[in-house]
Amino acid sequence: GIQVEQSPPDLILQEGANSTLRCNFSDSVNNLQWFHQNPWGQLINLFYIPSGTKQNGRLSATTVATERYSLLYISSSQTTDSGVYFCAVGQGGSEKLVFGKGTKLTVNP
Amino acid sequence: SAVISQKPSRDICQRGTSLTIQCQVDSQVTMMFWYRQQPGQSLTLIATANQGSEATYESGFVIDKFPISRPNLTFSTLTVSNMSPEDSSIYLCSVEYSKNTEAFFGQGTRLTVV
Repeated sequence: GIQVEQSPPDLILQEGANSTLRCNFSDSVNNLQWFHQNPWGQLINLFYIPSGTKQNGRLSATTVATERYSLLYISSSQTTDSGVYFCAVGQGGSEKLVFGKGTKLTVNP
Repeated sequence: SAVISQKPSRDICQRGTSLTIQCQVDSQVTMMFWYRQQPGQSLTLIATANQGSEATYESGFVIDKFPISRPNLTFSTLTVSNMSPEDSSIYLCSVEYSKNTEAFFGQGTRLTVV
């Protein structure tokens, strides 16, 4: 099956810093999503981005499907950005999402 | 986006017992899924809940351990049967309005088996 690799596994930032999270996948996809899991375990949708670039406030994402990677940018990080960021992909003909192992982000005040 | 109500939000259960988790969506959806997240791990799909027929289970998950019902397009249940401490996880319901579109998740059920 498809492999999803996220990097870095852990990231520690000072408040106000910028960061880039990466998601590599091993095969073509027609569904790619970024999620933020908060400390209470809830998964929050950030982006549905099988290709192209999107922005939402301090967050933006870019997926280059032909090169099989996606990037999540966080600017001017805040302590509330802490948590685990997951990339998940889906392939044509299969409805399920395959998740990467996540990037654990800690933003210190 | 979907409004998904998942109950209970957390529970502590004795080994050997069963727990049924409910997932209610505010509108009809095509796809409903159940995921498990073991402590410190990523999410793994348990099964796809099919309306009016048996669920489709992923490798490593069986119906006897994780029976699933989906009586209509807005509701599903997952039962964790004959629990052991290894079943301690977060269980999450997910929905998609149509195939290969954006997925939305319930708030999860944090299960501890003692």
